[in-house]
Amino acid sequence: DAGITQSPRHKVTETGTPVTLRCHQTENHRYMYWYRQDPGHGLRLIHYSYGVKDTDKGEVSDGYSVSRSKTEDFLLTLESATSSQTSVYFCAISASTGGYTFGSGTRLTVV
Amino acid sequence: QQQVKQSPQSLIVQKGGISIINCAYENTAFDYFPWYQQFPGKGPALLIAIRPDVSEKKEGRFTISFNKSAKQFSLHIMDSQPGDSATYFCAANQGGSEKLVFGKGTKLTVNP
Repeated sequence: DAGITQSPRHKVTETGTPVTLRCHQTENHRYMYWYRQDPGHGLRLIHYSYGVKDTDKGEVSDGYSVSRSKTEDFLLTLESATSSQTSVYFCAISASTGGYTFGSGTRLTVV
Repeated sequence: QQQVKQSPQSLIVQKGGISIINCAYENTAFDYFPWYQQFPGKGPALLIAIRPDVSEKKEGRFTISFNKSAKQFSLHIMDSQPGDSATYFCAANQGGSEKLVFGKGTKLTVNP
């Protein structure tokens, strides 16, 4: 998607290992979000950021941490991956007008 | 707690038919109501959005109907096509800078 990229696109990791997902934007938007998508649950907010070094928790933040040291990068870290964190992770960005632009997602499998 | 309830979970429509997806919200302070379309393997993409100062917004074959008193809004897809087969999410938020609350999604299948 234009202006927002997620990496990696796919990852398989072992239980107990740390994992970091990256979201990079070129739109200079203030707001960035991490969601996970699971069947039957839709999109659930993990963490979000409203500026450099300003982050807050979403509804499913346990087991996740984030960092935003630059406007363009928002990192999501799974401190010790568990099988319940197998999911598709989406990053989104927004300016102040409400509409989100989503990345293409990262499919994470924890074995 | 789920602040936006979306129905149905899945919908099968014949080509040329009308697809209707409904959403209900609880927070009367919500003032922005977008719909997102998601194809398999892709991220959701903004399809159409409405603010509560109008009761209907149309863009091509896609129409949002908004009922403020009932706290409901719906997406109508006219002349549905197989290429419309996707998952649709409704959402809502308060103010331009607040995080969106999403419905759980509707998987639409349009049969040829």
